[in-house]
Amino acid sequence: NAGVMQNPRHLVRRRGQEARLRCSPMKGHSHVYWYRQLPEEGLKFMVYLQKENIIDESGMPKERFSAEFPKEGPSILRIQQVVRGDSAAYFCASSPRISKGEETQYFGPGTRLLVL
Amino acid sequence: SQKIEQNSEALNIQEGKTATLTCNYTNYSPAYLQWYRQDPGRGPVFLLLIRENEKEKRKERLKVTFDTTLKQSLFHITASQPADSATYLCALPQTGANNLFFGTGTRLTVIP
Repeated sequence: NAGVMQNPRHLVRRRGQEARLRCSPMKGHSHVYWYRQLPEEGLKFMVYLQKENIIDESGMPKERFSAEFPKEGPSILRIQQVVRGDSAAYFCASSPRISKGEETQYFGPGTRLLVL
Repeated sequence: SQKIEQNSEALNIQEGKTATLTCNYTNYSPAYLQWYRQDPGRGPVFLLLIRENEKEKRKERLKVTFDTTLKQSLFHITASQPADSATYLCALPQTGANNLFFGTGTRLTVIP
């Protein structure tokens, strides 16, 4: 059973460009979370999605950021008009469900975004 | 607001000794607490989960305690090895939500 896959692993963008980060959850997992880790800082929650639904986007900036988890295909975190402050590692995590005994989240290797 | 503090940014210990990491939280009554390990350039890896009604949990050389009165968890690695060198993260479920709220981590270095 493959783990959480993220691609690309590294992404370089110039200011003003768009960044698209992809996440394929573990097989059988229908819950996806995105976190951001700034240099020398902890992981910060951004958004929680289930298939075709955004459940909680309270951690996501109101502008330029969006996320989706379509019925088919990976979850995508999109950052429009990137700025240098968006440079960070973006981690995706998945879990099978949210009932007791299933709270563990499994993380992908992350996408390291560098904005020039 | 919720706050998580991990005792120190960095901890150095000699190989073979027991490493003890601390996680304190405030304004919070979590149903469980998790510990993750993160190596440079990699995603966090789940280690242990302990529930509010559990005092202690063990897994091989790892031991976690959870004191809901003190609002503190201790994470122990016994007979530490250089391969245990990593950043260890404490995580709690966000109140009323399903996402995790992470501490900033403690970077452990085990010296041969």
